[in-house]
Amino acid sequence: QSVLTQPPSVSGAPGQRVTISCTGSSSNIGAGYDVHWYQQLPGTAPKLLIYGNSNRPSGVPDRFSGSKSGTSASLAITGLQAEDEADYYCQSYDSSLSEVFGGGTKLTVL
Amino acid sequence: QLQLQESGPGLVKPSETLSLTCTVSGGSISSSSYYWGWIRQPPGKGLEWIGSIYYSGSTYYNPSLKSRVTISVDTSKNQFSLKLSSVTAADTAVYYCARYVGYCSSTSCLGWFDPWGQGTLVTVSS
Repeated sequence: QSVLTQPPSVSGAPGQRVTISCTGSSSNIGAGYDVHWYQQLPGTAPKLLIYGNSNRPSGVPDRFSGSKSGTSASLAITGLQAEDEADYYCQSYDSSLSEVFGGGTKLTVL
Repeated sequence: QLQLQESGPGLVKPSETLSLTCTVSGGSISSSSYYWGWIRQPPGKGLEWIGSIYYSGSTYYNPSLKSRVTISVDTSKNQFSLKLSSVTAADTAVYYCARYVGYCSSTSCLGWFDPWGQGTLVTVSS
């Protein structure tokens, strides 16, 4: 059971918009700790997608955006493309003195 | 461009110690701006943070693994290492090393992992 809760799967057709939620608690996201997002393409290492809740590293398309409110955060992907099919993970810090990850969400492009 | 590469045995016997090394190239592990971390991913499952280290040797461990984990750094070789003792089948996973961009104090860490190594599969089996 992950400290941060994500939906196991989401799906969308090409061109559509999808969102992936990351729900925490008062000891992590709700305590003010930032949320970061990673994309893991099949058979590869995770890659940083969003840092500091809503910032994109250089090279990440602006189709990807992040937000945070209260004890939750969200990753939004607009203009869905086939190459976006991957697993997505959120990460934050928990006051139990640990970095924590969400359980991951598998995005399927229909 | 910074690159990280994990190395070590792919098979470890139960009750023994898992040892991995991460070699950093394209940048110095002694940079005051970064920490260095280990994360693992059991087959078909999610990510679990193991621990992080600063070039000075300050370490931060996952409380659930702390009793079995040792992370060390060798600045002369631009490497940092992971030792996980008394392994069981539950420790079978792909182990990743990564740069931690952020800051750690005695009460919290504020940062993210970027970039990551390609990962190495370690299987615990007799």
